[in-house]
Amino acid sequence: AQSVAQPEDQVNVAEGNPLTVKCTYSVSGNPYLFWYVQYPNRGLQFLLKYITGDNLVKGSYGFEAEFNKSQTSFHLKKPSALVSDSALYFCAVRALLSGANNLFFGTGTRLTVIP
Amino acid sequence: DAGVTQSPTHLIKTRGQQVTLRCSPKSGHDTVSWYQQALGQGPQFIFQYYEEEERQRGNFPDRFSGHQFPNYSSELNVNALLLGDSALYLCASSLAGLNPSNQPQHFGDGTRLSIL
Repeated sequence: AQSVAQPEDQVNVAEGNPLTVKCTYSVSGNPYLFWYVQYPNRGLQFLLKYITGDNLVKGSYGFEAEFNKSQTSFHLKKPSALVSDSALYFCAVRALLSGANNLFFGTGTRLTVIP
Repeated sequence: DAGVTQSPTHLIKTRGQQVTLRCSPKSGHDTVSWYQQALGQGPQFIFQYYEEEERQRGNFPDRFSGHQFPNYSSELNVNALLLGDSALYLCASSLAGLNPSNQPQHFGDGTRLSIL
């Protein structure tokens, strides 16, 4: 079985400061990891993914994520937060071993960037 | 290039009724997945359609059913609605291709279903 944990319901950060949104996962076999963002009354927008290769993945809007296999983590980061980054962020995993093609999502982390 | 479109955007039903939600995938995509997002929760996988057949199913009862048409669009049907079915229903599309597992899914803005 696969699962994703986002330990923080809420993250507050001052504008211009670096931000981190945490994610840990549990999966059999090699994980495919994704980050999505959701703005109010909207669907999910894809930010970035880790499939294989370099542990540091760069994505949209200046976001990046670091894959750590030993800690089973995939934390989302940005060097300098913008007020417009305020949204709901979801980490998701897809397990290749099971042949599954669907995503398992965490419960989400609400990011608030304070001006 | 049109993204994933869903209709209607909002819907109000009463317990016991039936509902049909619709989804048109992103241009060029052939696989459609449906997710249920309850308030304050992450999306949960309902099922996935490819080549007009249900390829995979999550832990949802048979009251939830679907269909995919030759043009790749899809419908989600829910029978005998319960109060707990109130949620945002998201449709996501992707391209099966050779490596379906590493393709990001593209989401629509969802249909918000309220059950009274």
